[in-house]
Amino acid sequence: ETGVTQSPTHLIKTRGQQVTLRCSSQSGHNTVSWYQQALGQGPQFIFQYYREEENGRGNFPPRFSGLQFPNYSSELNVNALELDDSALYLCASSLGTGGGQPQHFGDGTRLSIL
Amino acid sequence: QKEVEQNSGPLSVPEGAIASLNCTYSDRVSQSFFWYRQYSGKSPELIMSIYSNGDKEDGRFTAQLNKASQYVSLLIRDSQPSDSATYLCAVIRGGSNYKLTFGKGTLLTVNP
Repeated sequence: ETGVTQSPTHLIKTRGQQVTLRCSSQSGHNTVSWYQQALGQGPQFIFQYYREEENGRGNFPPRFSGLQFPNYSSELNVNALELDDSALYLCASSLGTGGGQPQHFGDGTRLSIL
Repeated sequence: QKEVEQNSGPLSVPEGAIASLNCTYSDRVSQSFFWYRQYSGKSPELIMSIYSNGDKEDGRFTAQLNKASQYVSLLIRDSQPSDSATYLCAVIRGGSNYKLTFGKGTLLTVNP
């Protein structure tokens, strides 16, 4: 069984740039959720995708956007990068959207904004 | 009041002891509860899930849930140095049953 994979592992950008992060869900999982984890904090929910549709969004501005593809992989796009966007970005996959379904995380992408 | 609260620690226990990690949550309609372990520089790893009142055991780990008190805990028996990590409590509330709401985590150190 293949777990959740994310790319790239690390990324350095400057303010105002745009970035795309990628996630492949665990085999058989059709739901992908994205989280942002700042240093010393718990992960914060950005949004979730289920069957290629956004299924809920956290308190993040519109410059954070996403996609899910027919194979259930997903992208997180962030425009107009700000210094506060420096964080670990985590993708989690699950089987369905039910609250009882555990979410399994990939290794994350560490994004640094200079 | 924060949605999910944990003592940030650090919690320090000797090897072989029982480590007790606590979490409270504010939303009474919360339905699903999870404990994740996160090693420094790594991503969270799911170690326990619990959905109904009472205890759930898995190896050296026991999760306890008390919905009336809005309290969930994790006990780690026979603690090992390899258990040293940050433990994150996460909750899914009913209705918006898709997002995990996390506490800030408790740093556990197990001393040899």
